Amino acid sequence: AQTVTQSQPEMSVQEAETVTLSCTYDTSESNYYLFWYKQPPSRQMILVIRQEAYKQQNATENRFSVNFQKAAKSFSLKISDSQLGDTAMYFCAFMKRSFDGQNFVFGPGTRLSVLP
Amino acid sequence: DTAVSQTPKYLVTQMGNDKSIKCEQNLGHDTMYWYKQDSKKFLKIMFSYNNKELIINETVPNRFSPKSPDKAHLNLHINSLELGDSAVYFCASSQERSTVFGQYFGPGTRLTVT
Repeated sequence: AQTVTQSQPEMSVQEAETVTLSCTYDTSESNYYLFWYKQPPSRQMILVIRQEAYKQQNATENRFSVNFQKAAKSFSLKISDSQLGDTAMYFCAFMKRSFDGQNFVFGPGTRLSVLP
Repeated sequence: DTAVSQTPKYLVTQMGNDKSIKCEQNLGHDTMYWYKQDSKKFLKIMFSYNNKELIINETVPNRFSPKSPDKAHLNLHINSLELGDSAVYFCASSQERSTVFGQYFGPGTRLTVT
């Protein structure tokens, strides 16, 4: 079974600075996808960024980028130029490429606070 | 237009009651899911369903049952509600063949059992 670990329950960062959220996972699969989801106080789950395991190039979406280390099974999220609106819970998620009931596994989340 | 919608947003009920939460997606996706998020924010998949099969997380009590009248809907029925069922329940959908894009989540339903 797959597991996802986020070792930082809470983090804070000053506005405009950069912060990195860590995520590690355990799997025997070779084809899979990794995601970061954001859950602001509104409770909505929002997809932030995704990474295909077969791609070596790290994904980037505007101020959000990942550092994907497949051998180390690490998938960290870097947020540059942090904004107050980035305050949220961030969940790392693993998805196998094949469809089954355990398709998605989420980490326990990291609560990020952006301070003015 | 809302991609994945859930009703109601809030549900307060007493122990022992039976309740349903509705979910609809207008994305044309063929796979839908139900998740439970507990008070510690941990997200756990409960069911995944597409037009081929329903797959149940074996840890989910059989008091919970998903019902899919059609491809765009996956409702969650809960019988004999218990205090421990209090949580936020999220519906989500994805296109199986394009799972690379991840899942689209509904806004969540906060269930409180008293």
